[in-house]
Amino acid sequence: ILNVEQSPQSLHVQEGDSTNFTCSFPSSNFYALHWYRWETAKSPEALFVMTLNGDEKKKGRISATLNTKEGYSYLYIKGSQPEDSATYLCAPVVDSSYKLIFGSGTRLLVRP
Amino acid sequence: GAVVSQHPSRVICKSGTSVKIECRSLDFQATTMFWYRQFPKQSLMLMATSNEGSKATYEQGVEKDKFLINHASLTLSTLTVTSAHPEDSSFYICSASDEQETQYFGPGTRLLVL
Repeated sequence: ILNVEQSPQSLHVQEGDSTNFTCSFPSSNFYALHWYRWETAKSPEALFVMTLNGDEKKKGRISATLNTKEGYSYLYIKGSQPEDSATYLCAPVVDSSYKLIFGSGTRLLVRP
Repeated sequence: GAVVSQHPSRVICKSGTSVKIECRSLDFQATTMFWYRQFPKQSLMLMATSNEGSKATYEQGVEKDKFLINHASLTLSTLTVTSAHPEDSSFYICSASDEQETQYFGPGTRLLVL
């Protein structure tokens, strides 16, 4: 069973704080890494798809980096806002079937 | 774009009954649809992958006779939980993929079997 770990499990920050969290995955047979944002009562929203070692992607105040050799990705949020409150999921793809293997997520709560 | 709907959002049923959940891609044609299950405080676990017009591929440990998947068109897949029991109570969520390989998720269905 592929082990995908996300840390921390939950995070409470104040509005305006910058924050980051980690996704760790086995570095062998890497195809891609997906990040999703999942707000309560909504559908998970695709944030990034990353494929190359050293990739860095940015969407507004959110950015992500990828290290495929050591098997980790960081997600950064600059100047957190209450609307950033959600669970952030990562999911590596490790074979050609393109199945996503999800971590259990980091639950972020941004206090106004 | 890339909206996926799922219906119903919540269902309560008696033990022994069957429940059908629909997953629709509203503004794109989905070559592949996926069904996941999430138990409390656990991650999304893939149950099966289905391509339009062909039989679904089930993950290890998922009973294909219990979880019937039909993918009759490029915009609709259904999951039927047959003879549901309390241990089948869970959160079921589908996703649909276009040729770009990104999966777009529905909002999920919470099933409670009494």
